[in-house]
Amino acid sequence: QVQLQESGPGLVKPPETLSLTCTVSGGSISNYYWSWIRQPPGKGLEWIGYIYYSGSTNYNPSLKGRVTISVDTSKNHFSLKLSSVTAADTAVYFCARFDGYNPSFDSWGQGILVTVSS
Amino acid sequence: QSALTQPPSASGSPGQSVTISCAGTASDIGDYKYVSWYQQHPGKAPKLLIYDVSRRPSGVPGRFSGSKSGNTAALTVSGLQAEDEADYYCSSFAGNNNFVFGGGTKLTVL
Repeated sequence: QVQLQESGPGLVKPPETLSLTCTVSGGSISNYYWSWIRQPPGKGLEWIGYIYYSGSTNYNPSLKGRVTISVDTSKNHFSLKLSSVTAADTAVYFCARFDGYNPSFDSWGQGILVTVSS
Repeated sequence: QSALTQPPSASGSPGQSVTISCAGTASDIGDYKYVSWYQQHPGKAPKLLIYDVSRRPSGVPGRFSGSKSGNTAALTVSGLQAEDEADYYCSSFAGNNNFVFGGGTKLTVL
């Protein structure tokens, strides 16, 4: 059973860059898509984007220009960078495995709360 | 792309059935069969319940079922149990390799 674990700073100052890493264990990162999803406190889920293990990406148009997702297959992890953050980017950030054949998010990390505040 | 529309709350008594709707547009739910549903208990990560509109992953009870008609999808929980009390989110493929979620529905078991 694949497991995902988010890591990174819990506090980021505006307008700096939020950086998170998702480490995958119990399986290889190869041959799958991997995604980031966030949830502002008390609100719903928002898809941020995904990356294929080969490096191809796709991002939510509402965040395009600020978001970069990368993958390191040698370390079995993938990463998120979100630039020019504001308080509106405060959220629990989840990493998830995306099933490209049956489009859905089938395994999730526990999530990490990132607060944007000076 | 706009978020899918779900009712903020739903409720039912143990043993009853409850249906949660998820309204989209002709550009997402209406155009693709890639609707999925997730269950989220407080402080936990979401869990995949339904994919491809009506298919259940291994381990998900048959009490959970999904359907779609036109631009609207639905999740039905039959034989409600106390542990079904949670937030439920729908999601759909929205073209151009993009995805959209619903705002979530809080299900209360009375």
